[in-house]
Formats: sequence, structure tokens, C-alpha cells
Amino acid sequence: QSALTQPPSASGSPGQSVAISCTGTSSDVGRYNYVSWYQQHPGKAPKLMIYEVSKRPSGVPDRFSGSKSGNTASLTVSGLQAEDEADYYCSSYAGSTYVFGTGTKVTVL
Amino acid sequence: EVHLVESGGGLVQPGGSLRLSCAASGFSFRNYWMTWVRQAPGKGLEWVANIKEDGSEKNYVDFVKGRFTISRDNAKNSLYLQLNSLRVEDTAVYYCAREYWGPEYWGQGTLVTVSS
Repeated sequence: QSALTQPPSASGSPGQSVAISCTGTSSDVGRYNYVSWYQQHPGKAPKLMIYEVSKRPSGVPDRFSGSKSGNTASLTVSGLQAEDEADYYCSSYAGSTYVFGTGTKVTVL
Repeated sequence: EVHLVESGGGLVQPGGSLRLSCAASGFSFRNYWMTWVRQAPGKGLEWVANIKEDGSEKNYVDFVKGRFTISRDNAKNSLYLQLNSLRVEDTAVYYCAREYWGPEYWGQGTLVTVSS
């Protein structure tokens, strides 16, 4: 049950794209297509942005997209906006339990 | 609209106990797995436990096994987390969440502080 590995930080200018990786193992990310991504603003509860690797809940802008290759999942935020500045966490099903990523702080320059 | 409200947090001494509650509304509570996730101050998210729709299956992260117990009352649309043998490192905001192959909708959380 080790945490998934994410880069501590990422940044981009408004309008640019930023990609965040989430590396797990063959027991979690690599085995199941149940990777989710969450956005968390300071002092707020996390918000689901992507589920089942690449699906967007209703109301989430299509600027947010997800993908997976092997043991690594990725979240891409295109057309960065000021309100996208937040912490982002991935999570994966690991066979009856779940594991979260270490988190990435996205800064909009 | 899905609404989850946690309560029961507070200050407790090491070795003490607390019972967290989560009141659910806006959806058919009895038809969903439910989850607890915690976040220590300034740290990342940690998955803690989940429970099946009818309460017949419960899963826990290793470091809370034997100390925390998840339960639910579908007649009251409520989820619970009993915290026993609390440690300083259990200090965190505890969130309840509706689950769909991962936490889906989240409450605002309740703060548990373990300190002497």
C-alpha cells in the first residue's frame, strides 16, 4: 500500500498545457482501469476531475483529460486558467483498497 | 444534489477514542459503497477504509487495522468511523465520500486532533 508517485510541482503560463504523471505498480495503476484525479484548493475538500482513467464527470471542463500507459497514469490540463492553480492527486484501485498519489501543486505563472 | 456532512471530530488525548459520523442526503445511500479518507495538516490524502452497500464487506488500510472500525446505518443514511487507540499521527481532517471505483462526492471533513 505504498503511495503512488507524483511530481511535487508543475507550472505553466495561462493558455499553456501542463501534464502530471502518477506512477504506481502492476498491482494498482497497471492492473486496473480505475484511476481517478482530484483537484483540491486550499482549505477545501477534494473535487473529482477524472474517473476510470479518462472519463470526466458532468461539469468538469474538457480542458482536463486523463490517460494511462502501463503503470503510469497522466492528467493533462490544457488552456491553463488562473482557477486551475491547486493541488492535484491521483488515486487507483488496488484490489479491495485504494491508494492515493503524493500530490502535485500546480502553479499558474 | 449529493450532500455529505461529517461530524464528531475534536481534541482527544493519545490512546483515546472518537466516533465520527457522516450524514448523507440527495442520493440513495443504501446503493453505494462509502469511504473514509484523511488528510494530515499540510500533507496529502490517505485512503482509510470503505464499506459495501449492505455493510457485509469492509476494507482498511494497514495502519488502522484493529484500531478503526467503519460501519453504516442505511435506515439513518449515515456512515460512521470509530477511532480507538488514537495516536498523534492520526491527527487529520477526516472526509467521508461516496464511492464509485474511487471517492466520488466528498464532504467538507471533520478535524481530529490527537494531543496531550
